[in-house]
Order: sequence, then structure tokens, then C-alpha cells
Amino acid sequence: EDKVVQSPLSLVVHEGDTVTLNCSYEVTNFRSLLWYKQEKKAPTFLFMLTSSGIEKKSGRLSSILDKKELFSILNITATQTGDSAIYLCAPGGLSGGGADGLTFGKGTHLIIQP
Amino acid sequence: EPEVTQTPSHQVTQMGQEVILRCVPISNHLYFYWYRQILGQKVEFLVSFYNNEISEKSEIFDDQFSVERPDGSNFTLKIRSTKLEDSAMYFCASRGPQGDREKLFFGSGTQLSVL
Repeated sequence: EDKVVQSPLSLVVHEGDTVTLNCSYEVTNFRSLLWYKQEKKAPTFLFMLTSSGIEKKSGRLSSILDKKELFSILNITATQTGDSAIYLCAPGGLSGGGADGLTFGKGTHLIIQP
Repeated sequence: EPEVTQTPSHQVTQMGQEVILRCVPISNHLYFYWYRQILGQKVEFLVSFYNNEISEKSEIFDDQFSVERPDGSNFTLKIRSTKLEDSAMYFCASRGPQGDREKLFFGSGTQLSVL
């Protein structure tokens, strides 16, 4: 059975701290791994990773994929209160997420305290 | 920036009633999806739809559920006889015809409450 495990499930830090969110996965016919940020409602796209070892960056956020170890991390530096959200890891594969769909982890609930 | 829109944002219904959740995907997208998220739980895949037919569906998507693309813009999810456990946030998503295959764009969701 495919599975996606995110850790930690919740994390409380102070503004300015750096955080690392983890995602391990087992997905049949893996093609890519996506990170989404979910605030109040819809998940919003952050990154899509297809190749191992190539870091993707967007401002203070960065992410990298290890296809050998079936693992990805999402880093956020100099955190701000606006980073408070649930961060979802979603590998794309043919099992569980539907044809070309996604299988979501439970997410990491990140809280940034001022 | 183009976005997926969903209506209504909230729907309250009585158990056993039929509901239709509506979605307008991004205009040049060809692949459509419904996901749901029960409060406090993870986002779960329900169904994918392409070329006017279901591509794949999960175990959750039983005979009580159906999807339709009645015209060139709308994509609907119908629940024929709602149950208490259908209460959840329902997300519609779509993606484009090529390029990033898994890059789904999500709507803001419809919060369904079954009483």
C-alpha cells in the first residue's frame, strides 16, 4: 500500500527560526513530489520535484528530493507569522492518487509565534 | 492569475438529501479532480476525469457519487443520498494538458455539512 509520512506532525517555533519539514514516501510508479501550503482552505502549490539532489528555491523556501531514499525536505528560513500553515507533501504516482493524481500526507502543522 | 472556482463555499443539507457541488476549472485545463478533506484528516483523492469520462476513482467514490461535465466550463460532483460521514471540505482541482503532469490547481473548496 502506498504511503506518505510527514514529520513532525506539528511544530511551533518563533519568528526568525529556520524549520525543516520531512516527507518520506512509498508510491508506485513515482513521477514527482509536490509540496503544498494549506492555510484556511485550498492547498496552494509550492514546489514540484522530479530529480534527486536538485534544490528548488522560492524566496525563503527551498526543497530537495532524494529518490534513492524516497525522501524530501522543505526548508523555511527566517520564518514569519505568515508562514503558519499546514504543509502537505504529495507524491504523484498511479496508485492511491488516481490517474495523474496525488497522494497526500497528513501534513505538518507549522505555527510561527511572534 | 487564472483560478479554479467552486460554489457554494458552504452547503448544509439533511441526511438523505442530494447535493451538487459545482466547480469551474481553469479554462484551458483538460484534467479534473475531486478531493475531500474530513476535518482534522488528510486530503483524500475521490475521482479524476478526462475526456468526458472518469479516469480513476478511489474506494470512497461509491455509487452515491457521480461527476459530470454538463457544458464546456462546469464540473460537478453529485452525492445522491448524503450521509453524516460525507461531511467534509470538498476540493475541485484541475491541471493543464502538458508539462507539469501533477501540478494541480485547487479551488477554495465547498464545506459540506450533513445534519
